[in-house]
Amino acid sequence: AQRVTQPEKLLSVFKGAPVELKCNYSYSGSPELFWYVQYSRQRLQLLLRHISRESIKGFTADLNKGETSFHLKKPFAQEEDSAMYYCALRAAGNKLTFGGGTRVLVKP
Amino acid sequence: DVKVTQSSRYLVKRTGEKVFLECVQDMDHENMFWYRQDPGLGLRLIYFSYDVKMKEKGDIPEGYSVSREKKERFSLILESASTNQTSMYLCASSLRSFDRRTPNTEAFFGQGTRLTVV
Repeated sequence: AQRVTQPEKLLSVFKGAPVELKCNYSYSGSPELFWYVQYSRQRLQLLLRHISRESIKGFTADLNKGETSFHLKKPFAQEEDSAMYYCALRAAGNKLTFGGGTRVLVKP
Repeated sequence: DVKVTQSSRYLVKRTGEKVFLECVQDMDHENMFWYRQDPGLGLRLIYFSYDVKMKEKGDIPEGYSVSREKKERFSLILESASTNQTSMYLCASSLRSFDRRTPNTEAFFGQGTRLTVV
């Protein structure tokens, strides 16, 4: 079975402060991990994918297989980063499982 | 522009009714998913389909069934709607791949259907 855990339901930070969203997973195989974002009144969309190893909108995420984590980080949060963020795991059979989500609020 | 379209944005149904939620994608994706989205619970997978007429139960299939007669269409059926099925329902599709290096395997989502059962 696969499972994704996001321990923080809400993160509130000031503009310009660093932000880190935690994601832990359990899966017996080799996972494919994603972060998705949902802005207000918009549909859920991909933010980044671990295998791409790229930075999107200033966000990065590193897969740590030893700690089974895939935390999302941004050094300087912006107000437009306020949104709902979901960590997701795609298993070998293509089944896609999401975490509980973290709401990020960036205050001016 | 890739598209996943859900037939209704808002639905209000009565307890005991049979409810159909429809989803269509135009990307020729093999995989299609139905989730429900509830505050504090995130997205929970109801059913997953990886091919026409093929389906796999997700984490919360009770009270739901699905139909995939054509590749582009995936329907979620609430056999007898109950108030605890009031929720936001999200449909998604993705490319089927068994190689993690395959690009563009992310899921694309519909706009959601907010279902209220009274």
